[in-house]
Amino acid sequence: AQSVSQHNHHVILSEAASLELGCNYSYGGTVNLFWYVQYPGQHLQLLLKYFSGDPLVKGIKGFEAEFIKSKFSFNLRKPSVQWSDTAEYFCAVWANQAGTALIFGKGTTLSVSS
Amino acid sequence: EAGVTQSPTHLIKTRGQQATLRCSPISGHTSVYWYQQALGLGLQFLLWYDEGEERNRGNFPPRFSGRQFPNYSSELNVNALELEDSALYLCASSFLSGTVSEQYFGPGTRLTVT
Repeated sequence: AQSVSQHNHHVILSEAASLELGCNYSYGGTVNLFWYVQYPGQHLQLLLKYFSGDPLVKGIKGFEAEFIKSKFSFNLRKPSVQWSDTAEYFCAVWANQAGTALIFGKGTTLSVSS
Repeated sequence: EAGVTQSPTHLIKTRGQQATLRCSPISGHTSVYWYQQALGLGLQFLLWYDEGEERNRGNFPPRFSGRQFPNYSSELNVNALELEDSALYLCASSFLSGTVSEQYFGPGTRLTVT
């Protein structure tokens, strides 16, 4: 069965620090990859997505992610975090086969102190 | 454009009872997905409905069921409630039927089983 691993359960950073959140998946075929964010008290919303093409994708609010097929990874990055980035971040994978839905990682809580 | 809506916001039930949760997708979306977000477990895929049919279900017992109506709204039913069913239930909808696309999430229904 497909699975998604997010290595960091809770990350604590100071403002202006750089961020990298790890995400690895287990599926050998074609995948589509997503990062979702859940700000306190708000809905889950899409940060960025990878379907095909350039493996470096840019999303909203200065976030980017790099798809490394050989490493089955899709790590999320931001050069300089802000207090408003405090949220829970979820990596998700859609494996391109019939009958499959999004598989989510367990999430990483990011706390940014000002 | 209205987003995904869910009702009720909160639901308190007693063990053994049945719970019914409702979801209205974004206008034009034909696929509806249900997820369970339990503390510490991340989002776990429950059910996927597309064009009125159940397309896939996650690793949950049969007492979790649902349906999709002709207007694409959906209902999740949980029978014989157990304490561990207490969780946030999220509904998501997407535009493209049968292919991968972004999922848009609702605010969720918080189910508490006592």
